[in-house]
Amino acid sequence: GQSLEQPSEVTAVEGAIVQINCTYQTSGFYGLSWYQQHDGGAPTFLSYNALDGLEETGRFSSFLSRSDSYGYLLLQELQMKDSASYFCAVLADRGSTLGRLYFGRGTQLTVWP
Amino acid sequence: KAGVTQTPRYLIKTRGQQVTLSCSPISGHRSVSWYQQTPGQGLQFLFEYFSETQRNKGNFPGRFSGRQFSNSRSEMNVSTLELGDSALYLCASSSGGQGPIVEQYFGPGTRLTVT
Repeated sequence: GQSLEQPSEVTAVEGAIVQINCTYQTSGFYGLSWYQQHDGGAPTFLSYNALDGLEETGRFSSFLSRSDSYGYLLLQELQMKDSASYFCAVLADRGSTLGRLYFGRGTQLTVWP
Repeated sequence: KAGVTQTPRYLIKTRGQQVTLSCSPISGHRSVSWYQQTPGQGLQFLFEYFSETQRNKGNFPGRFSGRQFSNSRSEMNVSTLELGDSALYLCASSSGGQGPIVEQYFGPGTRLTVT
């Protein structure tokens, strides 16, 4: 089956840099996604990595190492509004060619002033 | 473009009852997926529909079912509700197609409480 591990909580101060790690075990791996969810809100898509390396989108970057079954989300210049839950999700198939998302349990990021 | 809408937003039901939740995807999106979110388990995949056909299914009992209409709107039904079904039910839409779904757009969810 699939399993994903990510820290349950991370705290940091405004302006700092934080890295949220995600390790996974899966078969039929397509790629790794990250979603952000504010309290009471809907998850929103942040990034997707299918190939090894770093993808940068503004203050957020996402990294993938397929050989290590590992990825991380890097948030720079933290702002209070970044306080949210961050989910890594593996896109993988289980016999279907279409694949589906398997989510981790989420990391609660708290940014302090 | 309007986002994904879900109705109702909140629902309180009694154990043993059944419930139907509705989801309208983003215009032009043909794939709708359903997830159950609980504090302990995170987001658990229920099923995915594309062009009125169920393409993928998670590991939930048969009490959980769904369907999709020709306009891509989707409903999910839970029969014989149990206390453990209390959760946030999220619907996500994507443009779909032949390949894996990379980016999904989530609705605000329906908060179901079973008493």
